Amino acid sequence: ETGVTQTPRHLVMGMTNKKSLKCEQHLGHNAMYWYKQSAKKPLELMFVYNFKEQTENNSVPSRFSPECPNSSHLFLHLHTLQPEDSALYLCASRHSTSTDTQYFGPGTRLTVL
Amino acid sequence: QKEVEQDPGPLSVPEGAIVSLNCTYSNSAFQYFMWYRQYSRKGPELLMYTYSSGNKEDGRFTAQVDKSSKYISLFIRDSQPSDSATYLCAMSANEDTDKLIFGTGTRLQVFP
Repeated sequence: ETGVTQTPRHLVMGMTNKKSLKCEQHLGHNAMYWYKQSAKKPLELMFVYNFKEQTENNSVPSRFSPECPNSSHLFLHLHTLQPEDSALYLCASRHSTSTDTQYFGPGTRLTVL
Repeated sequence: QKEVEQDPGPLSVPEGAIVSLNCTYSNSAFQYFMWYRQYSRKGPELLMYTYSSGNKEDGRFTAQVDKSSKYISLFIRDSQPSDSATYLCAMSANEDTDKLIFGTGTRLQVFP
């Protein structure tokens, strides 16, 4: 298993709920990422954090709110989601000072009712 | 036109076959090429990582990059049922591996 963990692994929520996804990396990396993976679509980059600073917001709706309190932890706060937001949400990390690539967590399978 | 094109499959082969998985791309700035393997209900796992053109071999896996044709391949020799997964290609421009561009993935099934 990888050094990137995600909780919960599965989440079912209603459109009016507020929930949070958590990601933790144990690899000593300093860049962390949120991706959305929907069926038959490429992975979509949502947010990038380098050294706790957000460096990329890929036109993500405001109902998704990321938080990166330190280089090891990344959260995705969810509120008033839509059924089309149902997907696998993947966290990844890497060492931003090298050309090394990204390492992924197992993902959170989100279902919005 | 998508930046990265990948046949979604499924590709079904018998155990022991040689498998060829491919991606084409349109952006000539891409320099770093990756193959990830994703088992059902798991996150993508890095399989091969190559820079620029040429071949790279790791056990039963060979990654090939042809930048002149904007074409990358992953070959799996002596395929096993445990190789059944979705294979994602990904690529990025020089020194900008924050922005990986992924293919849609090819689902591979290796039957005994």
